[in-house]
Amino acid sequence: TQLLEQSPQFLSIQEGENLTVYCNSSSVFSSLQWYRQEPGEGPVLLVTVVTGGEVKKLKRLTFQFGDARKDSSLHITAAQPGDTGLYLCAGARASGTYKYIFGTGTRLKVLA
Amino acid sequence: GAVVSQHPSWVICKSGTSVKIECRSLDFQATTMFWYRQFPKQSLMLMATSNEGSKATYEQGVEKDKFLINHASLTLSTLTVTSAHPEDSSFYICSAGLAGWVQYFGAGTRLSVL
Repeated sequence: TQLLEQSPQFLSIQEGENLTVYCNSSSVFSSLQWYRQEPGEGPVLLVTVVTGGEVKKLKRLTFQFGDARKDSSLHITAAQPGDTGLYLCAGARASGTYKYIFGTGTRLKVLA
Repeated sequence: GAVVSQHPSWVICKSGTSVKIECRSLDFQATTMFWYRQFPKQSLMLMATSNEGSKATYEQGVEKDKFLINHASLTLSTLTVTSAHPEDSSFYICSAGLAGWVQYFGAGTRLSVL
């Protein structure tokens, strides 16, 4: 059972456009992380959010954790070809195990 | 930053043989390591949680006897795919936990079983 559904599954946009990726669940998470993965490599952590309603910014990336800690979004402003990759959200259940379950993934391609 | 080394990065083996994959935290001690499996163009599926000095906790549907995990020290966990078959071919990734919810990932191991 996939607890974290990401949308869209695939996204191809032109350089300079904005985009938002969503990560949704019916379960509550104690914390949620966003990763970017390049082909043939391990995921690289972008951000961790732990408080409901929390917003974090990382240059052109804005991350938000839902008030109820069941969902999250990643917004990229003025996308660049270097943003191309697989974006994954991962949630730790509120059981305190710090075991992360990964979302279904969003494959982004930014065209020059 | 924290570095996790995974070895080998790519392995090809014959059906029926066993393959061992190592995951090392190079500059920190990790009491917990995680093993994931990733199919092409799909997300990561957690296989098991490995704690130093104790038996690994496997996720539902993961065969314990097929995927043997050993966490002998605070810096090393190994995953052994026993009697590998073509359906075991996949990308295997480990991560090491540091300070609660922070985990660092290895670069992954691509296993091809002929």
